[in-house]
Amino acid sequence: NAGVTQTPKFQVLKTGQSMTLQCAQDMNHNSMYWYRQDPGMGLRLIYYSASEGTTDKGEVPNGYNVSRLNKREFSLRLESAAPSQTSVYFCASSQVSAGGPYEQYFGPGTRLTVT
Amino acid sequence: AQSVAQPEDQVNVAEGNPLTVKCTYSVSGNPYLFWYVQYPNRGLQFLLKYITGDNLVKGSYGFEAEFNKSQTSFHLKKPSALVSDSALYFCAVSLYYGQNFVFGPGTRLSVLP
Repeated sequence: NAGVTQTPKFQVLKTGQSMTLQCAQDMNHNSMYWYRQDPGMGLRLIYYSASEGTTDKGEVPNGYNVSRLNKREFSLRLESAAPSQTSVYFCASSQVSAGGPYEQYFGPGTRLTVT
Repeated sequence: AQSVAQPEDQVNVAEGNPLTVKCTYSVSGNPYLFWYVQYPNRGLQFLLKYITGDNLVKGSYGFEAEFNKSQTSFHLKKPSALVSDSALYFCAVSLYYGQNFVFGPGTRLSVLP
């Protein structure tokens, strides 16, 4: 049981390049999330997917797109990277049901540097 | 809108002493509250949650938290700190009908031997 996996672990991009961050979970959770973590700012939600086939913007969606490929996979795409997108990116998943939202499980993160 | 405040950037405590990491929240509705811990170069790990019921919640690694509705607080506590508790701690809030989890800025806990 791997939990939440993310690839790649590290990435360096030049300004204007594009890339996709991959995330997969094997816990059969219905909800998945993408966050970015910057020093002193905690985690900020970029996009989330409440269930397969749906996606919604979070607090900081500009410059990003997402795809919920199936129940397991949720990818984050940077179409034209900017230095302001230098950050650590975390994917998370959780189960949301009639009992309320449950805790999130986080992947190990992707450290992205844009030069 | 939901928001979470962690008023202390850094908390220092001696090993063996009790520790408290503070969290206050603002939501329009009944909150679901969470504490997570992050060790260096790792993702966040769940510690405990308050959904409903008893205001004192017990979690992993000997941590507990007290929900106080009148003070809109959810402080994390441990009776006796360990050096291995040194990490970054995040408080988070969610509302059932929304899917968003809103995180606080984090508090760095240093336990000194």
